[in-house]
Order: sequence, then structure tokens, then C-alpha cells
Amino acid sequence: DTGVSQNPRHKITKRGQNVTFRCDPISEHNRLYWYRQTLGQGPEFLTYFQNEAQLEKSRLLSDRFSAERPKGSFSTLEIQRTEQGDSAMYLCASSLQGAAQYFGPGTRLLVL
Amino acid sequence: DQQVKQNSPSLSVQEGRISILNCDYTNSMFDYFLWYKKYPAEGPTFLISISSIKDKNEDGRFTVFLNKSAKHLSLHIVPSQPGDSAVYFCAASAHGSSNTGKLIFGQGTTLQVKP
Repeated sequence: DTGVSQNPRHKITKRGQNVTFRCDPISEHNRLYWYRQTLGQGPEFLTYFQNEAQLEKSRLLSDRFSAERPKGSFSTLEIQRTEQGDSAMYLCASSLQGAAQYFGPGTRLLVL
Repeated sequence: DQQVKQNSPSLSVQEGRISILNCDYTNSMFDYFLWYKKYPAEGPTFLISISSIKDKNEDGRFTVFLNKSAKHLSLHIVPSQPGDSAVYFCAASAHGSSNTGKLIFGQGTTLQVKP
């Protein structure tokens, strides 16, 4: 399977804990995106990498959120001091420039 | 502000008939439009896209129409099949050299195709 993969698929954590999600994009794609989706809404953009450079961050990405793509391949999204409002599906997508984005299966986060 | 709107939360059609899903946008900088299909607990699956230089793109049972003057696009599925039952999202992006290509999504339309 050469699609986008995300791990873990599900995460339950207690408020105040830190969590980290991983995304492995399609290997030849240089663009990587993170989105967040809550119930009844479309996905909302969080951040964008071109190769290893983080080129855009949404105002939705508070200072508790950090994302990296150290070697221009996989990416991690960390949420520090989680809050109940962080509960959502976190989606990763990758693409080539000017082409459609392909999404992974998502990581569903529940903060208790 | 909602730059991409799908005003119909749900649509129900009979198997074999045409499904038409609609989407409106406000940002004239958008130049690339996509439709995604999503099942519960899965990520969105890319269906079809269209560049702003075209007004129609077809792929099998799926056709997307773009009306730039009205800032409106639609997805036609014909014939509709029960397996098409899912949530459909319209998305738009700006692909100019200074843009990241991030997608702005509508709220989604739930399509139910009845056997």
C-alpha cells in the first residue's frame, strides 16, 4: 500500500497530557498538509510543509501545537497540554505541486 | 467567513438516477476545485478535480461542472449506486506561485442512494 498512512488511528488521553501523531506521506510527494476535522464540519487547514520547510501555519494552530517534517519525509504533529476542545480527527494529506491532495485515514483524538 | 459553502446538508436519490451535489465559493483567487468522498472514521478520498481554466471535467460516472461567473460548481454522479452513499466535500484552493495550495472545505453533503 503506497498511500498516506497515519499512526495511531485512535488516541484517548487525559486532559493536560501531551500527544504525538505521525504521518507518512506518499513517497514522491513534496507537499504535506495537516488538517483537523470536527463533527459535522469539513476539514480545516492547520499547517503546510514543502519538503522539510514549514511554510504556513493556521491561526487555529495555537502555541500548544507543533509540527515537524525533519527530513522532508514523514511528519509529526504534537499537542502539548491537551484540552477537551482538541478532541477531533487529525488528517494528514500529501501532494505534488499543483495536484490533488491525498489523505490518510486520520487519527481520532479523544481528550477526557 | 465561510469561503466554500455546501448549502444542502443531505440528499437522497434512487439507485440508477442522477445525483447532483452543489457548492458555492466566494474567493475569486480560488483556481482549483476538488470533490472528496468520505466514509465514517476514514479520511477523505479524492474523486475528481477541475482547474479554473475549464468548465467541465469527466471521469467515469463523475462529472464536475464549474461556473466561474456564478462562483458555483457541481458534481454529477450518474448512474448513482448504493455504494456512493457517503459524505461529499467540495474543496477549493489557490495554486498561484505564492500560494500553498491549502484546501478550504465546505461543510459536506450526505448522499444516500436508495436501492
